[in-house]
Amino acid sequence: GENVEQHPSTLSVQEGDSAVIKCTYSDSASNYFPWYKQELGKGPQLIIDIRSNVGEKKDQRIAVTLNKTAKHFSLHITETQPEDSAVYFCAASPLYKFYFGSGTKLNVKP
Amino acid sequence: DVKVTQSSRYLVKRTGEKVFLECVQDMDHENMFWYRQDPGLGLRLIYFSYDVKMKEKGDIPEGYSVSREKKERFSLILESASTNQTSMYLCASSRSDRGNSPLHFGNGTRLTVT
Repeated sequence: GENVEQHPSTLSVQEGDSAVIKCTYSDSASNYFPWYKQELGKGPQLIIDIRSNVGEKKDQRIAVTLNKTAKHFSLHITETQPEDSAVYFCAASPLYKFYFGSGTKLNVKP
Repeated sequence: DVKVTQSSRYLVKRTGEKVFLECVQDMDHENMFWYRQDPGLGLRLIYFSYDVKMKEKGDIPEGYSVSREKKERFSLILESASTNQTSMYLCASSRSDRGNSPLHFGNGTRLTVT
């Protein structure tokens, strides 16, 4: 089945800096790649997603890039703010099942 | 907004007990999922259901079963709880859109088995 690897496991940045989280996947059938943010005591919330026919997508300070040939995709957060501090998960989906990375704990220092 | 509601935020059960975790979604989604979340392991799929009374095993189904008698409700059952089932359990739902529809999660049930 699909295997998703996510790096780094923890990331600490200064407020205003950029943060990048990277994921790789193994199954070339995966065609949908969502990113989730999980705050303490809550379930994961979708923040951005990308489909395999698109190379890049941006939503305000958040962007995602996808390289299908290399089977990797990345989350970019610019101008980080303390409220961006959370655990972020990438996922890959072939059809209706989702496979998740192990998560990145992002800490934005004021 | 999609709402996925898990009936309990915290549960404490004893080894050997039968445990029911309940999940309800209000958006008429066809697909429902149960994940288990453990530190450093991400989210692992236990079971999912793509229609009423239909179910499929995920990656870690051992020790669990599920029930989906109504479209909006998906229950996870621990037949005989064990300490290694202490974990955070997350329910999710999605539209049936050939995998291009995101998951919507509940806030989780933290289960402790003593």
